[in-house]
Amino acid sequence: DQQVKQNSPSLSVQEGRISILNCDYTNSMFDYFLWYKKYPAEGPTFLISISSIKDKNEDGRFTVFLNKSAKHLSLHIVPSQPGDSAVYFCAASQGGSEKLVFGKGTKLTVNP
Amino acid sequence: GAVVSQHPSWVICKSGTSVKIECRSLDFQATTMFWYRQFPKQSLMLMATSNEGSKATYEQGVEKDKFLINHASLTLSTLTVTSAHPEDSSFYICSASEGPHNEQFFGPGTRLTVL
Repeated sequence: DQQVKQNSPSLSVQEGRISILNCDYTNSMFDYFLWYKKYPAEGPTFLISISSIKDKNEDGRFTVFLNKSAKHLSLHIVPSQPGDSAVYFCAASQGGSEKLVFGKGTKLTVNP
Repeated sequence: GAVVSQHPSWVICKSGTSVKIECRSLDFQATTMFWYRQFPKQSLMLMATSNEGSKATYEQGVEKDKFLINHASLTLSTLTVTSAHPEDSSFYICSASEGPHNEQFFGPGTRLTVL
């Protein structure tokens, strides 16, 4: 039972354009969402997060949008850079718990 | 940022043997460490949470007698896969945090292959 879903295993965009990575969740009790980036042979690194009391959080080129009614969040990267090429994981937690539930990840390739 | 290391980065073993994986926080004290497992094309699945000096808390469906976790110090946690079988072949990754609700820092992972 996949509670956090990233339905696109891969995404390819041109440098300078916008990358949009999507994530859906089924557990309405989730109230905190995170995005991690993972390069090969390295562990995931935290990128950006959003609490369920917000619908948008922005950090430089990265913006996360949350649509609670649709149980959907997305990560926007603009402008995309070749160094952004990595696997992006969406994760969720509830009630202040330390436990993270991860999606399967989306491999982003930004072409020069 | 904080650094978490894992050793070994990959290991191949025969069925029936035990394998120990180390997870170290290099520049901070990790009161909590987490162990995840990732099968190919699947998500990271939390196996257990360990707090320094106490027994690990295992997720449902994870056999505590098969996956032994020790968190004896604030910088080291170990996962021992006992009597490993081919179905245990997976990518094992740890994370560490300085305390409850703090950011988790992930290690690079260990690829286990059981022949």
